[in-house]
Amino acid sequence: NAGVTQTPKFRVLKTGQSMTLLCAQDMNHEYMYWYRQDPGMGLRLIHYSVGEGTTAKGEVPDGYNVSRLKKQNFLLGLESAAPSQTSVYFCASSYTPTSPQGYTFGSGTRLTVV
Amino acid sequence: ILNVEQSPQSLHVQEGDSTNFTCSFPSSNFYALHWYRWETAKSPEALFVMTLNGDEKKKGRISATLNTKEGYSYLYIKGSQPEDSATYLCASGGYQKVTFGTGTKLQVIP
Repeated sequence: NAGVTQTPKFRVLKTGQSMTLLCAQDMNHEYMYWYRQDPGMGLRLIHYSVGEGTTAKGEVPDGYNVSRLKKQNFLLGLESAAPSQTSVYFCASSYTPTSPQGYTFGSGTRLTVV
Repeated sequence: ILNVEQSPQSLHVQEGDSTNFTCSFPSSNFYALHWYRWETAKSPEALFVMTLNGDEKKKGRISATLNTKEGYSYLYIKGSQPEDSATYLCASGGYQKVTFGTGTKLQVIP
């Protein structure tokens, strides 16, 4: 069981470039989330999905877009990267937000925008 | 309380000491309180998810309590070991999503 897999693990982008981060889960979870982690800020929610075909904005959605075309995949896109988007990005999934197992997290993507 | 707040930010304890941390959260529109353990260079791992006022959960030497009326949860570690060194995150929120605190970083000194 792979759990939650994020690709890529590391990436360096130039300002203005675009990229897509992929999150894949094999646990048949309904809910999927994208967080960013910055020093002193904790995990902040970018976007989330409550099921296939649905997406919703979190705390810090500006500059990002997401899609959930298949239940197992949740894609995070940066259309025009900015240095302020340098961060570590974590994907997470869960059956429901209150399931006893909690969220399962991926291993993170470290993104640097220069 | 408007956000999820954790205290202390960090602490150092000697091996064998018992310790506890606090998570404060908005008591309105409460659905769940999560605790996670986050080791350096790894991903957060779920410890507990609690939903009912008065809930108590235990896993080995780690336990947690929940007071939804006053908006706080405590995490206890009994007899700390060096392998308990990690950042402990709590998260609280409504039904669809939760908000994370900034964590308590625990260092257990052998």
